[in-house]
Amino acid sequence: ETGVTQTPRHLVMGMTNKKSLKCEQHLGHNAMYWYKQSAKKPLELMFVYNFKEQTENNSVPSRFSPECPNSSHLFLHLHTLQPEDSALYLCASSQTAVSGTLYEQYFGPGTRLTVT
Amino acid sequence: GENVEQHPSTLSVQEGDSAVIKCTYSDSASNYFPWYKQELGKRPQLIIDIRSNVGEKKDQRIAVTLNKTAKHFSLHITETQPEDSAVYFCALPNSGYALNFGKGTSLLVTP
Repeated sequence: ETGVTQTPRHLVMGMTNKKSLKCEQHLGHNAMYWYKQSAKKPLELMFVYNFKEQTENNSVPSRFSPECPNSSHLFLHLHTLQPEDSALYLCASSQTAVSGTLYEQYFGPGTRLTVT
Repeated sequence: GENVEQHPSTLSVQEGDSAVIKCTYSDSASNYFPWYKQELGKRPQLIIDIRSNVGEKKDQRIAVTLNKTAKHFSLHITETQPEDSAVYFCALPNSGYALNFGKGTSLLVTP
């Protein structure tokens, strides 16, 4: 599969569970992102990794823990979530430049998370 | 990061009419202005973008205009078709390597 892939596509978890979301990009990009999409905040940036280094944590609660082992893979580890964390979690990747120039972000299909 | 205000939140037009969505910002240093389209149940995709060295860019029926003095940029869709129905997001670079997205405009094109 090409582009940006995410697994699983759907996840239902209890508040005491621990689960992980996985994202993989096949585009040779050096930056990867996690977004939360909900009715209240349509595209809310959570984390940014550039060349495997976390460059941004947008005031995300510690029950969300990102991991970027290499430029092609990004994980979001979840534990003791709340029902209000139910949302679509989108991963994206893009090329970035040292100058700070931004380029197109390519999104994955998302993981629909339901916390019960 | 840079906040962006997007209006309207919903827009309904008749097929064949034009649609305009506007975003305003405050940071005069902003230099990249993309627009994304998200169809129902699908992922957001870039449809057009503009950098600060030009005032307008067109791609077939869509165009983006930039007014740096007034600090706003707009998406224009002409001759709208039902398949243009989607949510449209404007975005601005933040202080890092990411984009801050507007709240989206839900466009409905009725036949």
